[in-house]
Amino acid sequence: AQRVTQPEKLLSVFKGAPVELKCNYSYSGSPELFWYVQYSRQRLQLLLRHISRESIKGFTADLNKGETSFHLKKPFAQEEDSAMYYCALSIRGGYSTLTFGKGTMLLVSP
Amino acid sequence: DGGITQSPKYLFRKEGQNVTLSCEQNLNHDAMYWYRQDPGQGLRLIYYSQIVNDFQKGDIAEGYSVSREKKESFPLTVTSAQKNPTAFYLCASSIGAARAYEQYFGPGTRLTVT
Repeated sequence: AQRVTQPEKLLSVFKGAPVELKCNYSYSGSPELFWYVQYSRQRLQLLLRHISRESIKGFTADLNKGETSFHLKKPFAQEEDSAMYYCALSIRGGYSTLTFGKGTMLLVSP
Repeated sequence: DGGITQSPKYLFRKEGQNVTLSCEQNLNHDAMYWYRQDPGQGLRLIYYSQIVNDFQKGDIAEGYSVSREKKESFPLTVTSAQKNPTAFYLCASSIGAARAYEQYFGPGTRLTVT
């Protein structure tokens, strides 16, 4: 069975500092990886998916199959980035549900 | 923020009572999902439905039941058999099986059982 691990429950940084939210996964096949975000008093929403290789709100994430990781990065954190971030995995091809990690709370201080 | 609604926002029940949480969507999505969110546990899948009149158990289905009689609705019943029912429950939907990764979430229902 697939598994997603987010080792940090809380990540606290100062505004302008680089951010890296860690995500590791275990799955023997070809997964699709995603980051979901939940801002305060807002709904959980999709932030980005690895296959699109896009930058959303300055965040990027690269799938490293060798290290089975999908870390979320941003070079300069902003206060509005403070939120709960969940890494999620889906099995590529065919129908699949999402397996979520336990989440990392990012706090960006002024 | 419209599209998928959950009611009520807060729900209180006595131990031993069944309780049904509502989830409605007007996005014309085929697939719907129920998750449980506990502090430090992330989201855990309870049940999901790919299409009307069909549903499958997720990772933690014991003590829960669902129905999918209409495309727009996917109610979740928390039965008295659920040992730890107090939690935050999230409903989600996606266009269909092919895009199960892109889920739209409701605002959630916080259930407290005493």
